[in-house]
Amino acid sequence: GAVVSQHPSWVICKSGTSVKIECRSLDFQATTMFWYRQFPKQSLMLMATSNEGSKATYEQGVEKDKFLINHASLTLSTLTVTSAHPEDSSFYICSAGRGAYQETQYFGPGTRLLVL
Amino acid sequence: AQTVTQSQPEMSVQEAETVTLSCTYDTSESDYYLFWYKQPPSRQMILVIRQEAYKQQNATENRFSVNFQKAAKSFSLKISDSQLGDAAMYFCAYYSNTGNQFYFGTGTSLTVIP
Repeated sequence: GAVVSQHPSWVICKSGTSVKIECRSLDFQATTMFWYRQFPKQSLMLMATSNEGSKATYEQGVEKDKFLINHASLTLSTLTVTSAHPEDSSFYICSAGRGAYQETQYFGPGTRLLVL
Repeated sequence: AQTVTQSQPEMSVQEAETVTLSCTYDTSESDYYLFWYKQPPSRQMILVIRQEAYKQQNATENRFSVNFQKAAKSFSLKISDSQLGDAAMYFCAYYSNTGNQFYFGTGTSLTVIP
């Protein structure tokens, strides 16, 4: 099956610092990747759609200047949490799609972010 | 916007027995995809099964099968011969071809009793 990696898996940082999370599709190319945030025992909340070669599309209520997304190649998307604060602590997951419509999403293992 | 509803927050099943997880969705589109994903305690989302809306035949993957009722907008997951490793959160998901977006249900937490 398709493999999507995410790095780092765990990050602890001080309030005010920026954190970059990488999402890579290892054995396929994806023009679109998705970034989600998940709180404990809840469903995935879509944050933004990352488009290769163009600007990301953000969901309502998600600050684009806070969560910077760059989709530099067909296999790599990055999410940068700028000036992180404790309320940004969460589990972040990316996904990339395969199929005629990139409809079948394969997910990265997630990144646990803790901001102190 | 499309909505996906999972009305069972928690379910339990005896090991080796069969359990069915419910999912309904709301859409005006005719062409779409439906999925079940499993999220074990590791929190890695794992694809369990997928169904194309234009196919009438229900998808199956080993012990996992779906009951896809397009007119009723229902997409339930049946797990046969349940195993301890099946214990996880299960999410139903809808993919819109036109919107290029995924919609997730709220999830069902499945416990497998030894």
